[in-house]
Amino acid sequence: DGGITQSPKYLFRKEGQNVTLSCEQNLNHDAMYWYRQDPGQGLRLIYYSQIVNDFQKGDIAEGYSVSREKKESFPLTVTSAQKNPTAFYLCASSWTGSTYNEQFFGPGTRLTVL
Amino acid sequence: QQQVKQSPQSLIVQKGGIPIINCAYENTAFDYFPWYQQFPGKGPALLIAIRPDVSEKKEGRFTISFNKSAKQFSLHIMDSQPGDSATYFCAASSTNFGNEKLTFGTGTRLTIIP
Repeated sequence: DGGITQSPKYLFRKEGQNVTLSCEQNLNHDAMYWYRQDPGQGLRLIYYSQIVNDFQKGDIAEGYSVSREKKESFPLTVTSAQKNPTAFYLCASSWTGSTYNEQFFGPGTRLTVL
Repeated sequence: QQQVKQSPQSLIVQKGGIPIINCAYENTAFDYFPWYQQFPGKGPALLIAIRPDVSEKKEGRFTISFNKSAKQFSLHIMDSQPGDSATYFCAASSTNFGNEKLTFGTGTRLTIIP
């Protein structure tokens, strides 16, 4: 099956700990994205990558880090510097340079800081 | 200039009615306008999208109306059903290579009453 997988589905973290969220896609998409979703605030872009070994900050990158060592993978690390990390995190991917920018989303990871 | 403003925040419609969700944008470089549907605990999925060279697009019971001069677009759901109850997000982007980021509205929680 082609698609985007995110793991884990639920994640609990103690304050002060870093945690890494996994995102893998087998759609052969060049671009990958990480969003944060909070109630009433829609989807806010954290980081995005259009090519391996390159990524750019989105609108709310502070306290987060990413890597893009492989085309299929785009892990997100939520660091202890992120002051309010409890949220629903969504990974997406898309083609680049195409007429339509359809982004395909994964099922999400719900992170709760205890 | 990157904002996409979406209204209403929530909407309750009886089965068979026609819910209408509105979005407005500022950036005249935007040339791709998708609508995403999200069910609780799931990632968003593309519902329908439009480019500004047409004023209306229909796919099944879903219609996008687009007003380029007013920089507004809206989603209409014909013969709405309880299964349409979900959160709907409008979005916008420029399809120029290197700028495929989607800017999302804040979402509309739609409830269809049987």
